[in-house]
Amino acid sequence: ETGVTQSPTHLIKTRGQQVTLRCSSQSGHNTVSWYQQALGQGPQFIFQYYREEENGRGNFPPRFSGLQFPNYSSELNVNALELDDSALYLCASSSPRDAGYEQYFGPGTRLTVT
Amino acid sequence: QKEVEQNSGPLSVPEGAIASLNCTYSDRGSQSFFWYRQYSGKSPELIMFIYSNGDKEDGRFTAQLNKASQYVSLLIRDSQPSDSATYLCAVPSGGSYIPTFGRGTSLIVHP
Repeated sequence: ETGVTQSPTHLIKTRGQQVTLRCSSQSGHNTVSWYQQALGQGPQFIFQYYREEENGRGNFPPRFSGLQFPNYSSELNVNALELDDSALYLCASSSPRDAGYEQYFGPGTRLTVT
Repeated sequence: QKEVEQNSGPLSVPEGAIASLNCTYSDRGSQSFFWYRQYSGKSPELIMFIYSNGDKEDGRFTAQLNKASQYVSLLIRDSQPSDSATYLCAVPSGGSYIPTFGRGTSLIVHP
């Protein structure tokens, strides 16, 4: 167990709806990254938050947005859901104190869009 | 576009054999390299990281890095059926701590 938690575990939404996913980082970690993993693919980077500021963004449209809170927990919001948004959403936490910024993943949220 | 390439497999090995998993990357500036294991339906678990050229051993796992040839490999000695999983290679680009993941190699260890 990494100490990173995510909620909810599973979610079913309808196309066009909005969704919020939540993540609590491991104790001592101030950086949270979000990834989307489609079936049979590696995780694709969505964005990263460091000390409540966005610290990098992957090739995802603006309807993917996020927040980080003072306790370093984070939210991923997706608006106007599309069928292709169905995937496993992973949160990973890390710390600059770790030499290589190793990332530790939470259990993920499985999102199904119908 | 920074790329990390892995053969998707599946790689099938008998129990007790050495499994060899390979990964190539495009960014010559990359300094750190990670291997994650992902069981079906679960999230990735960090199993090895390496920064320097050469080998790094941890139990039955050995990571091998060759920066000149831009490849990193993972060897699993005495493979067990419980090692059956997808192995993901992750490489941050030079100057970044955000890793690019390969698509993973599926490993099957059969009794």
